[in-house]
Amino acid sequence: EAQVTQNPRYLITVTGKKLTVTCSQNMNHEYMSWYRQDPGLGLRQIYYSMNVEATDKGDVPEGYKVSRKEKRNFPLILESPSPNQTSLYFCASSPLIADTQYFGPGTRLTVL
Amino acid sequence: QKEVEQDPGPLSVPEGAIVSLNCTYSNSAFQYFMWYRQYSRKGPELLMYTYSSGNKEDGRFTAQVDKSSKYISLFIRDSQPSDSATYLCAMSAYGNKLVFGAGTILRVKS
Repeated sequence: EAQVTQNPRYLITVTGKKLTVTCSQNMNHEYMSWYRQDPGLGLRQIYYSMNVEATDKGDVPEGYKVSRKEKRNFPLILESPSPNQTSLYFCASSPLIADTQYFGPGTRLTVL
Repeated sequence: QKEVEQDPGPLSVPEGAIVSLNCTYSNSAFQYFMWYRQYSRKGPELLMYTYSSGNKEDGRFTAQVDKSSKYISLFIRDSQPSDSATYLCAMSAYGNKLVFGAGTILRVKS
């Protein structure tokens, strides 16, 4: 089944404790992206990747890091999480940048 | 001003009603237009995809694009309680990333 998977689905952590949210797609898509979704603000892009070893900042990259060492995986790293990073996070992939995006199930992160 | 504007709602309608959801945009280069549906605690999923202007119909759903007015719409006929979700519009220019609206919450009451 074609899908985007994310782990963990739910995470509660404390300020400053490094965490990684994994994302994997099995559709051989070139383009992958991370979004955060907050009430009233919609989906905001954090980082995106056009291909392996090619990543770039989205609209709200501060406090986040990403890497793209393999085509299928695009982990999101929070080196020192803060409470304002409490949000619902989505990973997405698509064949090309302007194409339909396929979203993962989401990761709900709470930073205390 | 946001590049894509969408009324957040919530929009509450009785079962069987015709629903109209709308987005306006400012970038005249946009030519790919999409509607995503997002159920609670789920990721957005593509509902409709339209290229350039015109209408597209799929079952109870119709997507309209009016590029001259920079306005897109999604119509849902014979709305059902299962249509209750958040609807996000999204659009892009050739070779550029998708830009999303904030989403409209729809509630269909039985």
